[in-house]
Amino acid sequence: GAGVSQSPSNKVTEKGKDVELRCDPISGHTALYWYRQSLGQGLEFLIYFQGNSAPDKSGLPSDRFSAERTGGSVSTLTIQRTQQEDSAVYLCASSFRERNQPQHFGDGTRLSIL
Amino acid sequence: AQKITQTQPGMFVQEKEAVTLDCTYDTSDPSYGLFWYKQPSSGEMIFLIYQGSYDQQNATEGRYSLNFQKARKSANLVISASQLGDSAMYFCAMREPNSGNTPLVFGKGTRLSVIA
Repeated sequence: GAGVSQSPSNKVTEKGKDVELRCDPISGHTALYWYRQSLGQGLEFLIYFQGNSAPDKSGLPSDRFSAERTGGSVSTLTIQRTQQEDSAVYLCASSFRERNQPQHFGDGTRLSIL
Repeated sequence: AQKITQTQPGMFVQEKEAVTLDCTYDTSDPSYGLFWYKQPSSGEMIFLIYQGSYDQQNATEGRYSLNFQKARKSANLVISASQLGDSAMYFCAMREPNSGNTPLVFGKGTRLSVIA
């Protein structure tokens, strides 16, 4: 079946612009996660959605970052007034609810802020 | 304190040999899950193997096995019969508590290079 789909795969923008990153999870997965991976680093948790519950936003680095998930499926991560330190690969993952189920990742969006 | 520690930034292994990638973790929650992911140069994160804190046996998936030592809080990944295609970054991750869905906490990774 189809995996997690992210778009765009690459995004180059100027400092100060807003960007939107999209994630389409695996059908039937109730949980959706956003992570950020800076060059040569591990993954840093940003936000996660579980079903219709309020999202866990504890990993968002600043109020310039926000995310929504419409209809329990597609999610959009928005970064306002981008800064150069926002340059990273943004990875989305989804999973079933059961505890032994792994998170399945998309190929990520490589964001470059000029 | 770091939740997940991978002390080997880089490792080399001869093709067809076995290799162990180290991972130690820090938690006071009795319920947790441990995961290993592979990230090739192409960038995708590929799930390899899972171990739950209450699992009695070490997890195995094909050429991958997890050497789970609960008292030492270590969850080392063993790759047997290494192949050139195993060259990649390997990340250890933990989920605590291991119920419902909670985000993963990742280590900084180990870069494995398989030599012909």
